[in-house]
Amino acid sequence: DTGVSQDPRHKITKRGQNVTFRCDPISEHNRLYWYRQTLGQGPEFLTYFQNEAQLEKSRLLSDRFSAERPKGSFSTLEIQRTEQGDSAMYLCASSLARGQGSNGGYTFGSGTRLTVV
Amino acid sequence: GENVEQHPSTLSVQEGDSAVIKCTYSDSASNYFPWYKQELGKGPQLIIDIRSNVGEKKDQRIAVTLNKTAKHFSLHITETQPEDSAVYFCAAGAGFKTIFGAGTRLFVKA
Repeated sequence: DTGVSQDPRHKITKRGQNVTFRCDPISEHNRLYWYRQTLGQGPEFLTYFQNEAQLEKSRLLSDRFSAERPKGSFSTLEIQRTEQGDSAMYLCASSLARGQGSNGGYTFGSGTRLTVV
Repeated sequence: GENVEQHPSTLSVQEGDSAVIKCTYSDSASNYFPWYKQELGKGPQLIIDIRSNVGEKKDQRIAVTLNKTAKHFSLHITETQPEDSAVYFCAAGAGFKTIFGAGTRLFVKA
């Protein structure tokens, strides 16, 4: 296992178009997270999956954003009708948690940099 | 809402000197405090972490301290090297959620 993989690395799209990003986590990790990072800022939480269940969504995540993790494996993040404000780095991370209340360090992918023109 | 404040935003040190980055958090339920290093074009990488039942942890040139009463935690890097140059993020975790600070850009001058 080579870590968390994200595809594509870069995406340039016109405003109003839909985009979809993919994340392949570390296979034995049961938790998967999506974060968004803008220039000069830390990662901001978007959503979280435990296995295939999406358990939490940030208020930052408008109705134009949707995420899935079918069968608890890879995940996709789709943004519909993109806006210039969606331009950012979208980071995926995974972790292994042994209990609902526990947490641990994340392994991040290299991210997908989205530019909306 | 919960937040994590990180200082300084930029830090420049001479090779061989020490670097200290400080963070404060607001959520009293936070019990896990990781630190990440992010290099250009890469995702953040976990470098060290500490849990709330521990006050201090060291790993070679890196050490973290935690003061739960004051809600402060710090990263100390000794004998800095040019390859330590990167952006460092502190974070505070409670349950499944981890909140990140805004980052410190560290420059180590040779």
